[in-house]
Amino acid sequence: GAGVSQSPSNKVTEKGKDVELRCDPISGHTALYWYRQSLGQGLEFLIYFQGNSAPDKSGLPSDRFSAERTGGSVSTLTIQRTQQEDSAVYLCASSLSATDTQYFGPGTRLTVL
Amino acid sequence: GQQLNQSPQSMFIQEGEDVSMNCTSSSIFNTWLWYKQDPGEGPVLLIALYKAGELTSNGRLTAQFGITRKDSFLNISASIPSDVGIYFCAGRNAGNNRKLIWGLGTSLAVNP
Repeated sequence: GAGVSQSPSNKVTEKGKDVELRCDPISGHTALYWYRQSLGQGLEFLIYFQGNSAPDKSGLPSDRFSAERTGGSVSTLTIQRTQQEDSAVYLCASSLSATDTQYFGPGTRLTVL
Repeated sequence: GQQLNQSPQSMFIQEGEDVSMNCTSSSIFNTWLWYKQDPGEGPVLLIALYKAGELTSNGRLTAQFGITRKDSFLNISASIPSDVGIYFCAGRNAGNNRKLIWGLGTSLAVNP
């Protein structure tokens, strides 16, 4: 399809393990965003990419969180040494440019046991 | 970070009733957006507003960009069961046009 896709849809991991979450944006969208949504909460901004660079990383909660984007397309969000408080739905969105409408993927539900 | 004040937090209504929810900000916004999130899905844009006073409809949904540029409301008329979900407001302020600021959502339940 032509929408934003994310994988995996669900991830269960043990505390202390590393996880990688993937986002495939809409083709041609230069801006890409990662958000975190805890149960019953709003969207918490994590990081924004324009092309392959990340001008705004202000939302990353700790240095255990990192993200990269390659080829101006796919992005990976990595969480090292996962903690139980990292359990949440991680949403990715892309937009044609930074001021255009953001289109969201279905999210990855992360559960840290 | 900054968040919008969105209310009500939740609503439980009968099918056929009208619904109203709103968002307020402490700063001036130049864009207001309303999204809906179904369970297990990402948010989907319903209505975008770009000018103070703008009133825009999308089917049974109507949203307005407040004159003060610090608020917006969303109305849903004649609600139906598929309106169930979480509605989020989001906006951009003049200071940082690239970053969306989000409300905490209004959870809507419709009793058929």
